[in-house]
Amino acid sequence: GESVGLHLPTLSVQEGDNSIINCAYSNSASDYFIWYKQESGKGPQFIIDIRSNMDKRQGQRVTVLLNKTVKHLSLQIAATQPGDSAVYFCAETARTNTGNQFYFGTGTSLTVIP
Amino acid sequence: NAGVTQTPKFQVLKTGQSMTLQCAQDMNHEYMSWYRQDPGMGLRLIHYSVGAGITDQGEVPNGYNVSRSTTEDFPLRLLSAAPSQTSVYFCASKGGGAGGTQYFGPGTRLLVL
Repeated sequence: GESVGLHLPTLSVQEGDNSIINCAYSNSASDYFIWYKQESGKGPQFIIDIRSNMDKRQGQRVTVLLNKTVKHLSLQIAATQPGDSAVYFCAETARTNTGNQFYFGTGTSLTVIP
Repeated sequence: NAGVTQTPKFQVLKTGQSMTLQCAQDMNHEYMSWYRQDPGMGLRLIHYSVGAGITDQGEVPNGYNVSRSTTEDFPLRLLSAAPSQTSVYFCASKGGGAGGTQYFGPGTRLLVL
């Protein structure tokens, strides 16, 4: 099966600093990658995505970088705020004959220190 | 739009009981899926559907059945609950085609005694 892993299970940052969350994937055929944020007691919430034909994509305070050579994905959060405290998942999709299957990492818990 | 809704929010079952977890979406999404989330395991795909009348197995399908009679609804059935099925269950949907954003429901917490 596929494996999608995160390098660090927990991350603590000071409010206002930048955060970087890393993710490794193993399927070179994956063509779409997503970052999700999950707050306690809630379902995952889409943050940003990137296709395999891109190496960088920016959103509001977030940037995703994709390095296909080493199969590595990262999420950068600028000026981290207390509301950013959550668990962050990366996910990859590998197209199948009947549709897409999504594979999720175990998650990194981000704690923002005021 | 309500997005993706799930019922119930919490459920306690005894071993051997059956139940159905409900999932509905009002975004006219073709793709719907069920995941379970366990500590340290991440989200694991149970079953998914690419449209009404079409379902397929994910990573961990054993012990679960699904059907997709309408675009809006995608119920997950536990035929004979086991303690190993204690978990948090999430339903998700997305528009058709490759990639695309998956929208998740709020989850159902299931405890099997």
